[in-house]
Amino acid sequence: EAEVAQSPRYKITEKSQAVAFWCDPISGHATLYWYRQILGQGPELLVQFQDESVVDDSQLPKDRFSAERLKGVDSTLKIQPAELGDSAMYLCASSLAGYYNEQFFGPGTRLTVL
Amino acid sequence: DAKTTQPPSMDCAEGRAANLPCNHSTISGNEYVYWYRQIHSQGPQYIIHGLKNNETNEMASLIITEDRKSSTLILPHATLRDTAVYYCIVRVLQGAQKLVFGQGTRLTINP
Repeated sequence: EAEVAQSPRYKITEKSQAVAFWCDPISGHATLYWYRQILGQGPELLVQFQDESVVDDSQLPKDRFSAERLKGVDSTLKIQPAELGDSAMYLCASSLAGYYNEQFFGPGTRLTVL
Repeated sequence: DAKTTQPPSMDCAEGRAANLPCNHSTISGNEYVYWYRQIHSQGPQYIIHGLKNNETNEMASLIITEDRKSSTLILPHATLRDTAVYYCIVRVLQGAQKLVFGQGTRLTINP
């Protein structure tokens, strides 16, 4: 069964350092999402792509976060510089385009900022 | 998207039916009820969704009240692997496609 791949699974960094997360969606899925999940809370959307275009980045802290999906396939989420409050699970999800979209989630990247 | 209210935690014995309630009193006519679950250290997993009719699939059943202000997710024969956080989400089928997660219900299946 096709799955969303994410790497790394775990990342420990010091504050002020740069970190990057990678996501490879299910083949053929035009829509890709990055969510952030703080411990004990539900996931919150950071950014949504339709192919290579950003559809929604209203909750992305643009002063330090950036996301790209250059060829409309895999995607990278970057944080620079990382802050203590960025410690969280970063989840990638993908779905087919269209009005109905079951979202398929990857296993996530657990970020710890020291 | 309408807000939902779920109990923070529930327990259920293995082999019994687990009934997870969700209140969505401000739901609009074009909003669907979705359920996802998140097993520890994994990403959320889609379970089921519905508009106003009861729905059933291989994982669960979804019962939506006639006034659509509340719903119940039923896991008919809970197993230990069903221990997870269950999220009830209300959203339109068209337009913005993001999922707005609440706190969910932490369901523990006991042997």
